[in-house]
Amino acid sequence: QSVLTQPPSASGTPGQRVTISCSGSSSNIGSNTVNWYQQLPGKAPKLLIYSNNQRPSGVPDRFSGSKSGTSASLAISGLQSEDEADYYCAAWDDSLNGHVVFGGGTKLTVL
Amino acid sequence: QVQLVQSGAEVKKPGASVKVSCKASGYTFTSYGISWVRQAPGQGLEWMGWISVYNGNTNYAQKLQGRVTMTTDTSRRTAYMELRSLRSDDTAVYYCARGGGIFGGMDVWGHGTTVTVSS
Repeated sequence: QSVLTQPPSASGTPGQRVTISCSGSSSNIGSNTVNWYQQLPGKAPKLLIYSNNQRPSGVPDRFSGSKSGTSASLAISGLQSEDEADYYCAAWDDSLNGHVVFGGGTKLTVL
Repeated sequence: QVQLVQSGAEVKKPGASVKVSCKASGYTFTSYGISWVRQAPGQGLEWMGWISVYNGNTNYAQKLQGRVTMTTDTSRRTAYMELRSLRSDDTAVYYCARGGGIFGGMDVWGHGTTVTVSS
């Protein structure tokens, strides 16, 4: 059972916009920033969004992040076949001397 | 370019220890912490802990306290993660990553080291 809650799956057709939600609590998302990671099949994770809504260099602007209260979301517009991957949200949690918590991951399928 | 290169796959028996290395290049090693994350087969990501390369301070996941030790060797630009008293549920791919902890995202990842625990 992950501390951050994500839907296990999401899907869309090429060109569509999809969103993935991430729900937490006051000790994590409610008081710290959210990061999103993309993991392509058989590969290491890649930082996709940091500090709620910032994109690292090289990440297309089709990817965007937002946060409100104790929830966050990742939006992907203009969906492409290469976006098919697992997506994880993560945040610092202030409990237990502080630690990073991840969502359980959302498998995105491009139909 | 900035990269983290990890040591090779390991097969260990239950009760043994494993030490995974992570060699950094392309950036000032002491300017960033190193996080360790593992992923059991077919499962999600699990944060194991973080070490400050600057001063050696560590922060471990509570469930691994007492079994995990993270260290760095700045002369070798290498971070290490040792896990002791291995159990079958420690079988996973172990990743090192630059940054993380309270300071934000993990922006560079190693390729992963598969550790298999089996009798």
